[in-house]
This record gives sequence, C-alpha cells and structure tokens, in this order.
Amino acid sequence: QVQLVQSGAEVKKPGSSVKVSCKASGGPFSNVGVHWVRQAPGQGLEWMGGIIPIFGTPTYSQKFQGRVTITADESTNTAYMEVVSLRSEDTAVYYCATDPGGFGFDPWGQGTLVTVSS
Amino acid sequence: EIVLTQSPGTLSLSPGERATLSCRASQSVSSNFLAWYQQKPGQVPRLLIYVASRRATSIPDRFSGSGSGTDFTLTINRLEPEDFAVYYCHQYGRAPFTFGPGTKVEIK
Repeated sequence: QVQLVQSGAEVKKPGSSVKVSCKASGGPFSNVGVHWVRQAPGQGLEWMGGIIPIFGTPTYSQKFQGRVTITADESTNTAYMEVVSLRSEDTAVYYCATDPGGFGFDPWGQGTLVTVSS
Repeated sequence: EIVLTQSPGTLSLSPGERATLSCRASQSVSSNFLAWYQQKPGQVPRLLIYVASRRATSIPDRFSGSGSGTDFTLTINRLEPEDFAVYYCHQYGRAPFTFGPGTKVEIK
C-alpha cells in the first residue's frame, strides 16, 4: 500500500514562493496520478492539478494555471508542487493524493500547512 | 468545468438514523468516476466510495453509493457516533477534477 509523506509546515511572506514535496513509498508511483488538493481554513476541498510521473505532463485547474507548477522525480518517488506570488488567500493546507486510475484519490498525504503572512 | 452541487448543506440527525446525501453534477460524469470522501476536523479526507457505488477498502457496509450520469447519492444507514463529519463528492472523470462544497452531518 502506497504511503505519502509531505514536507513540513511553511510560513511565507506575500509575494514569495513555496515548494511542497510529497514522497511515496510502499507501492507504484510512476504510473499513477499524483494530485494536489488544497483546503483553506474552514473551507472545502479544491483540486489544483495533477501529474502522472511517467508521462511528466501536468494538468492544472485554470484557477492555478501560471502560478502553480507540479513536477515529479521518478528516481526519488517524489512529487512537488510550487506556488509563486503567494498572497494571504493561499493560506491553506495542501494535500497530495494518488489516483491509481479510476479508483478515486487514495491514499492522501498528511497535509502541509502553508501560512502566508507579512 | 463540471460543477458539483451538494445538498443539503447541513444534515441534523441522531445516531441510528439514516443519512441521505445528494450530489448533482452540471454535466454527465464520465465513466461515473464519482467519489465520496469523509473528513473530520483536523483530519485527512478519507475515501469512502469510488465509481459511484464501490466501497473503498475497509469501509463499513452501512455506507453505500448510488447514481449515474448527473445525480448521485451517498446513504449512511444507522449512523454511528463516528460518522458525524463533512462529506464531499468528487468527480475525477474529466479534468479539471472538481469537488462539491460538502455536506455536514451533525448530531441532532
């Protein structure tokens, strides 16, 4: 069973960038979808984008296109999500999750809290 | 983009009762790739149902999903105390993938 471990919490200034990692272990990684979902405080879940590492071409929600970059390193079974030009509204918990193909998002990483504050 | 609408926003029920949650899509969900997740405060979302009606591993059989096309339902029979949480539907059949706003099931 795949397990996903994300990098730790971050505190960032407005206008800066953040890069969150998601390391997979215990199962296939290269040929499954790895997705990023964020949840602002007290709000619902929001899909940001995803990538299948073996193909390497990410897909993004239009809302995040141009400000978010999703990448994956097959050699280390790690996916990354970078957000640039951070603003206070980007304060949220960011989750990674895998999609083995038609089976929904499972498992999820533990979440990474990114706080954007001056 | 497929917009998912969940109703009701909040459901107030007592343990032992049945919960019926609705999820309506603005367009047909491809291959019925519709999932349901449960989320409790401070916890990671937990997959309950995928492909509209298949229970995920280790999910109790009091949880069931039904529907196809644009109308989907999550039913929780005989609510247990641990079932009070927020439930999200999610379509993953066509990018951009989307989530519904959630239904909160609270203790009456």
